[in-house]
Amino acid sequence: LAKTTQPVSMDSYEGQEVNITCSHNNIATNDYITWYQQFPSQGPRFIIQGYKTKVTNEVASLFIPADRKSSTLSLPRVSLSDTAVYYCLVGNTDKLIFGTGTRLQVFP
Amino acid sequence: NAGVTQTPKFQVLKTGQSMTLQCAQDMNHEYMSWYRQDPGMGLRLIHYSVGAGITDQGEVPNGYNVSRSTTEDFPLRLLSAAPSQTSVYFCASSSQTSAGELFFGEGSRLTVL
Repeated sequence: LAKTTQPVSMDSYEGQEVNITCSHNNIATNDYITWYQQFPSQGPRFIIQGYKTKVTNEVASLFIPADRKSSTLSLPRVSLSDTAVYYCLVGNTDKLIFGTGTRLQVFP
Repeated sequence: NAGVTQTPKFQVLKTGQSMTLQCAQDMNHEYMSWYRQDPGMGLRLIHYSVGAGITDQGEVPNGYNVSRSTTEDFPLRLLSAAPSQTSVYFCASSSQTSAGELFFGEGSRLTVL
């Protein structure tokens, strides 16, 4: 099982780009990398998923280097509503274990 | 579009009581799982299932039982509740082809006195 390591917290200001990095040194060949967002009193919500290189959707980008031992979630031009906890999850449809997450605080 | 439905949303138990948290999904997902989240903490995997009739233990299975008799339902049973089981419980489901894209319920807040 790939254990993930993320920064505990990050601060940013509205309009800035935020990059959150996750380390997963023991990632397996068939593991995918998935990022979730969680607001207080809600379940986590899927943001983006990738296997290698770069993936982009309407809300974020995910950068994965060739060795796949880390990944970076990029949130362009954050707003106050992006204040949340972000989790990196590594695995396939099996024993999916979350890390402790990164608490992002966005200031005006 | 119900997605993943958890009941009850809130429950207060006394130590030693038993109860079942219900989870149902209408997306025909093979994979279902239960997590607990304590205040200020991340999610910890309790039990999971990759299909009807198949269950397995997660990180913190002690004190909890599960069964998966149908694809749609994955109930979590607390056999003898303890104060340490006070937590918010989340049920999640995923398609076998989506490699970890989990859909979560709204959570069930359990307090054990």
